[in-house]
Amino acid sequence: KQEVTQIPAALSVPEGENLVLNCSFTDSAIYNLQWFRQDPGKGLTSLLLIQSSQREQTSGRLNASLDKSSGRSTLYIAASQPGDSATYLCAVRGYSGGGADGLTFGKGTHLIIQP
Amino acid sequence: DTAVSQTPKYLVTQMGNDKSIKCEQNLGHDTMYWYKQDSKKFLKIMFSYNNKELIINETVPNRFSPKSPDKAHLNLHINSLELGDSAVYFCASSPSLGAGANVLTFGAGSRLTVL
Repeated sequence: KQEVTQIPAALSVPEGENLVLNCSFTDSAIYNLQWFRQDPGKGLTSLLLIQSSQREQTSGRLNASLDKSSGRSTLYIAASQPGDSATYLCAVRGYSGGGADGLTFGKGTHLIIQP
Repeated sequence: DTAVSQTPKYLVTQMGNDKSIKCEQNLGHDTMYWYKQDSKKFLKIMFSYNNKELIINETVPNRFSPKSPDKAHLNLHINSLELGDSAVYFCASSPSLGAGANVLTFGAGSRLTVL
Protein backbone atom coordinates (compact mmCIF):
# COMPACT_ATOMS: atom_id res chain seq x y z
CA LYS A 1 0.00 0.00 0.00
CA GLN A 2 1.39 3.35 -1.04
CA GLU A 3 2.26 5.78 1.73
CA VAL A 4 3.31 9.38 1.21
CA THR A 5 5.23 11.33 3.83
CA GLN A 6 5.99 15.02 3.81
CA ILE A 7 8.68 16.72 5.82
CA PRO A 8 8.58 19.14 7.52
CA ALA A 9 4.99 19.25 8.72
CA ALA A 10 5.28 22.99 9.21
CA LEU A 11 7.75 25.64 8.19
CA SER A 12 8.00 29.34 8.93
CA VAL A 13 10.61 31.45 7.15
CA PRO A 14 11.23 35.14 6.44
CA GLU A 15 10.22 36.55 3.11
CA GLY A 16 12.81 36.25 0.36
CA GLU A 17 14.31 32.95 1.44
CA ASN A 18 14.63 29.96 -0.84
CA LEU A 19 13.15 26.81 0.63
CA VAL A 20 12.72 23.11 -0.03
CA LEU A 21 9.76 20.90 0.83
CA ASN A 22 10.28 17.17 0.88
CA CYS A 23 8.04 14.29 -0.12
CA SER A 24 8.76 10.58 0.03
CA PHE A 25 6.69 7.61 -1.10
CA THR A 26 7.03 3.93 -0.34
CA ASP A 27 6.10 2.34 -3.69
CA SER A 28 8.20 3.57 -6.59
CA ALA A 29 5.80 2.15 -9.18
CA ILE A 30 4.03 5.43 -9.78
CA TYR A 31 2.39 6.91 -12.83
CA ASN A 32 3.10 10.49 -11.81
CA LEU A 33 3.57 12.82 -8.87
CA GLN A 34 1.83 16.12 -8.28
CA TRP A 35 2.31 19.04 -5.97
CA PHE A 36 -0.79 20.91 -4.85
CA ARG A 37 -1.39 24.02 -2.87
CA GLN A 38 -4.27 24.23 -0.39
CA ASP A 39 -5.45 27.57 0.92
CA PRO A 40 -7.79 27.78 3.94
CA GLY A 41 -11.43 27.53 2.91
CA LYS A 42 -10.53 26.76 -0.67
CA GLY A 43 -9.94 23.72 -2.76
CA LEU A 44 -6.64 22.37 -3.96
CA THR A 45 -4.73 23.98 -6.78
CA SER A 46 -2.38 21.86 -8.86
CA LEU A 47 1.07 23.42 -9.05
CA LEU A 48 3.27 20.94 -10.86
CA LEU A 49 2.85 17.49 -12.37
CA ILE A 50 5.85 15.25 -12.98
CA GLN A 51 5.41 12.13 -15.07
CA SER A 52 7.28 9.05 -13.90
CA SER A 53 9.70 9.37 -16.82
CA GLN A 54 10.60 12.96 -15.96
CA ARG A 55 13.17 14.28 -13.49
CA GLU A 56 11.81 17.75 -12.88
CA GLN A 57 9.26 20.39 -13.77
CA THR A 58 9.43 24.15 -13.39
CA SER A 59 6.79 26.83 -13.16
CA GLY A 60 7.88 30.34 -12.33
CA ARG A 61 9.56 30.32 -8.93
CA LEU A 62 8.65 26.68 -8.34
CA ASN A 63 10.76 23.70 -9.28
CA ALA A 64 9.81 20.13 -8.49
CA SER A 65 12.17 17.20 -8.83
CA LEU A 66 11.46 13.49 -8.87
CA ASP A 67 13.76 10.59 -8.04
CA LYS A 68 11.46 7.66 -8.59
CA SER A 69 13.95 4.96 -7.70
CA SER A 70 14.53 6.39 -4.25
CA GLY A 71 10.91 7.39 -3.78
CA ARG A 72 11.55 11.09 -3.30
CA SER A 73 10.44 14.42 -4.60
CA THR A 74 11.29 17.95 -3.60
CA LEU A 75 9.50 21.23 -4.21
CA TYR A 76 11.86 24.18 -4.37
CA ILE A 77 10.41 27.65 -3.89
CA ALA A 78 12.69 30.51 -4.82
CA ALA A 79 12.50 34.00 -3.34
CA SER A 80 9.52 33.19 -1.14
CA GLN A 81 6.71 35.71 -0.74
CA PRO A 82 3.95 36.09 1.88
CA GLY A 83 1.46 35.02 -0.78
CA ASP A 84 3.18 31.63 -0.86
CA SER A 85 1.79 30.91 2.61
CA ALA A 86 -0.40 27.82 2.31
CA THR A 87 -0.35 24.08 2.84
CA TYR A 88 1.57 22.21 0.15
CA LEU A 89 0.47 18.67 -0.62
CA CYS A 90 2.34 15.99 -2.48
CA ALA A 91 0.33 13.26 -4.19
CA VAL A 92 1.26 10.21 -6.23
CA ARG A 93 -0.81 8.27 -8.70
CA GLY A 94 -0.22 4.58 -9.00
CA TYR A 95 -0.92 2.00 -11.66
CA SER A 96 -4.29 0.75 -10.56
CA GLY A 97 -5.55 0.96 -14.11
CA GLY A 98 -8.46 2.84 -15.60
CA GLY A 99 -6.95 6.19 -14.82
CA ALA A 100 -9.60 7.26 -12.37
CA ASP A 101 -7.67 5.79 -9.48
CA GLY A 102 -7.31 8.04 -6.55
CA LEU A 103 -4.23 10.00 -5.78
CA THR A 104 -2.43 9.09 -2.57
CA PHE A 105 -1.74 12.27 -0.65
CA GLY A 106 0.74 13.21 2.03
CA LYS A 107 -0.38 15.19 5.06
CA GLY A 108 1.14 18.34 3.67
CA THR A 109 3.61 20.98 4.77
CA HIS A 110 2.05 24.07 6.32
CA LEU A 111 4.18 26.97 5.10
CA ILE A 112 4.19 30.45 6.56
CA ILE A 113 6.21 33.21 4.93
CA GLN A 114 6.80 36.07 7.33
CA PRO A 115 6.66 39.56 5.79
CA ASP B 1 -17.19 31.15 -13.61
CA THR B 2 -16.03 27.73 -14.67
CA ALA B 3 -15.53 25.68 -11.58
CA VAL B 4 -16.37 22.83 -9.32
CA SER B 5 -18.95 24.04 -6.82
CA GLN B 6 -20.07 22.28 -3.68
CA THR B 7 -22.95 23.00 -1.35
CA PRO B 8 -23.22 23.46 1.52
CA LYS B 9 -19.84 24.83 2.52
CA TYR B 10 -20.53 24.12 6.18
CA LEU B 11 -22.85 21.55 7.68
CA VAL B 12 -23.41 20.93 11.38
CA THR B 13 -25.74 18.11 12.35
CA GLN B 14 -26.55 15.57 15.03
CA MET B 15 -25.51 11.94 15.10
CA GLY B 16 -27.95 9.66 13.39
CA ASN B 17 -29.20 12.22 10.88
CA ASP B 18 -29.08 11.83 7.10
CA LYS B 19 -27.48 14.58 5.05
CA SER B 20 -26.41 15.30 1.48
CA ILE B 21 -23.63 17.30 -0.09
CA LYS B 22 -24.04 18.40 -3.67
CA CYS B 23 -21.37 18.91 -6.30
CA GLU B 24 -21.61 20.39 -9.76
CA GLN B 25 -18.97 21.07 -12.37
CA ASN B 26 -19.42 23.19 -15.48
CA LEU B 27 -16.07 22.27 -16.99
CA GLY B 28 -17.46 19.65 -19.32
CA HIS B 29 -15.46 16.96 -17.53
CA ASP B 30 -16.39 13.29 -17.75
CA THR B 31 -14.97 12.15 -14.43
CA MET B 32 -15.87 13.27 -10.91
CA TYR B 33 -14.55 12.31 -7.49
CA TRP B 34 -15.26 12.61 -3.79
CA TYR B 35 -12.32 12.93 -1.40
CA LYS B 36 -12.40 13.04 2.39
CA GLN B 37 -9.91 15.05 4.46
CA ASP B 38 -10.04 13.96 8.07
CA SER B 39 -8.84 15.71 11.21
CA LYS B 40 -5.34 14.40 10.61
CA LYS B 41 -5.36 16.21 7.27
CA PHE B 42 -5.13 13.09 5.16
CA LEU B 43 -6.94 13.38 1.85
CA LYS B 44 -8.30 10.06 0.69
CA ILE B 45 -10.38 9.17 -2.30
CA MET B 46 -13.83 7.80 -1.60
CA PHE B 47 -15.50 7.46 -4.99
CA SER B 48 -14.99 8.29 -8.61
CA TYR B 49 -17.53 8.31 -11.41
CA ASN B 50 -16.95 8.43 -15.15
CA ASN B 51 -19.91 9.43 -17.28
CA LYS B 52 -22.28 8.62 -14.43
CA GLU B 53 -20.76 5.17 -13.87
CA LEU B 54 -19.03 4.21 -10.65
CA ILE B 55 -15.33 3.52 -11.23
CA ILE B 56 -13.80 3.54 -7.78
CA ASN B 57 -15.42 2.73 -4.49
CA GLU B 58 -12.82 2.62 -1.78
CA THR B 59 -13.54 0.95 1.54
CA VAL B 60 -16.22 3.41 2.48
CA PRO B 61 -19.15 2.38 4.73
CA ASN B 62 -22.30 1.77 2.76
CA ARG B 63 -23.92 4.59 4.73
CA PHE B 64 -22.25 6.73 2.06
CA SER B 65 -24.10 6.64 -1.24
CA PRO B 66 -22.94 8.74 -4.16
CA LYS B 67 -25.41 9.62 -6.88
CA SER B 68 -24.62 10.97 -10.31
CA PRO B 69 -27.79 12.10 -12.12
CA ASP B 70 -25.66 13.32 -15.02
CA LYS B 71 -21.95 13.68 -15.67
CA ALA B 72 -21.94 17.28 -14.38
CA HIS B 73 -23.23 16.31 -10.94
CA LEU B 74 -22.00 13.97 -8.25
CA ASN B 75 -23.88 14.18 -4.97
CA LEU B 76 -22.93 12.48 -1.73
CA HIS B 77 -25.62 11.23 0.60
CA ILE B 78 -24.72 10.03 4.08
CA ASN B 79 -27.12 8.03 6.25
CA SER B 80 -27.01 7.63 10.01
CA LEU B 81 -24.19 10.08 10.54
CA GLU B 82 -21.50 9.19 13.07
CA LEU B 83 -18.97 11.32 14.92
CA GLY B 84 -16.19 9.90 12.78
CA ASP B 85 -17.81 11.27 9.66
CA SER B 86 -16.76 14.76 10.69
CA ALA B 87 -14.33 15.91 8.02
CA VAL B 88 -13.95 18.15 5.03
CA TYR B 89 -15.32 16.55 1.88
CA PHE B 90 -13.85 17.66 -1.42
CA CYS B 91 -15.41 17.14 -4.79
CA ALA B 92 -13.15 17.12 -7.85
CA SER B 93 -13.39 16.54 -11.57
CA SER B 94 -11.07 15.70 -14.43
CA PRO B 95 -11.54 15.72 -18.19
CA SER B 96 -11.48 11.98 -18.53
CA LEU B 97 -9.83 8.78 -17.40
CA GLY B 98 -6.27 7.95 -18.31
CA ALA B 99 -4.07 10.95 -19.01
CA GLY B 100 -7.04 13.24 -18.56
CA ALA B 101 -7.26 12.16 -14.94
CA ASN B 102 -4.02 14.02 -14.30
CA VAL B 103 -5.77 17.36 -14.41
CA LEU B 104 -7.92 17.46 -11.31
CA THR B 105 -9.98 20.52 -10.44
CA PHE B 106 -11.12 20.62 -6.83
CA GLY B 107 -14.09 22.25 -5.22
CA ALA B 108 -13.66 24.43 -2.13
CA GLY B 109 -14.72 21.68 0.24
CA SER B 110 -17.69 21.05 2.52
CA ARG B 111 -16.92 20.94 6.23
CA LEU B 112 -19.18 18.45 7.97
CA THR B 113 -19.38 18.50 11.76
CA VAL B 114 -21.31 15.75 13.51
CA LEU B 115 -22.25 16.47 17.13
